[in-house]
Amino acid sequence: GENVEQHPSTLSVQEGDSAVIKCTYSDSASNYFPWYKQELGKRPQLIIDIRSNVGEKKDQRIAVTLNKTAKHFSLHITETQPEDSAVYFCGGTSYGKLTFGQGTILTVHP
Amino acid sequence: DTAVSQTPKYLVTQMGNDKSIKCEQNLGHDTMYWYKQDSKKFLKIMFSYNNKELIINETVPNRFSPKSPDKAHLNLHINSLELGDSAVYFCASSSGTGNEKLFFGSGTQLSVL
Repeated sequence: GENVEQHPSTLSVQEGDSAVIKCTYSDSASNYFPWYKQELGKRPQLIIDIRSNVGEKKDQRIAVTLNKTAKHFSLHITETQPEDSAVYFCGGTSYGKLTFGQGTILTVHP
Repeated sequence: DTAVSQTPKYLVTQMGNDKSIKCEQNLGHDTMYWYKQDSKKFLKIMFSYNNKELIINETVPNRFSPKSPDKAHLNLHINSLELGDSAVYFCASSSGTGNEKLFFGSGTQLSVL
């Protein structure tokens, strides 16, 4: 089955800095890679996703890049704000099953 | 109008008891899931149903039994609760099977004493 590794487990940045979270996956058949944000005490919510036929996708301050050859993908957040503080999960879908990474606790200091 | 609703929000119970969590979605989705989030925040899939049919059944103790009476509802019954079952349980739904956006419920915080 799919195995998704996520790094770092915690990330602390100053407001205005960029943040990068990286994930690797094991199953070359994986074709869908979402990123979810979970604020404290809330439900996970999708913030951006990318499919295997695309190398990069951007939505305002967030972007995701995918390297299928190396089997890794990354989330980039620019101009971070305190409200970006949350747990971020990457995921990989293989044969209809979505597996999440271990999560990254992002803290943005004002 | 809540898209995915689950009840109860909090569940505190004694070891050995049996409890149920209910989930309903009004999005018209075909697929529903149960995820478990442990104290380290790790989100792990437990079950998935597509049009009332079980399609994913992870390595979960058989004390956990999901039931889907129709494609809008997915319930989770847990027998003989153990301390290690304490976690947040999230219901979710999607239009596809794993390769589309998941809509999560607000979670059920289960505490087994």
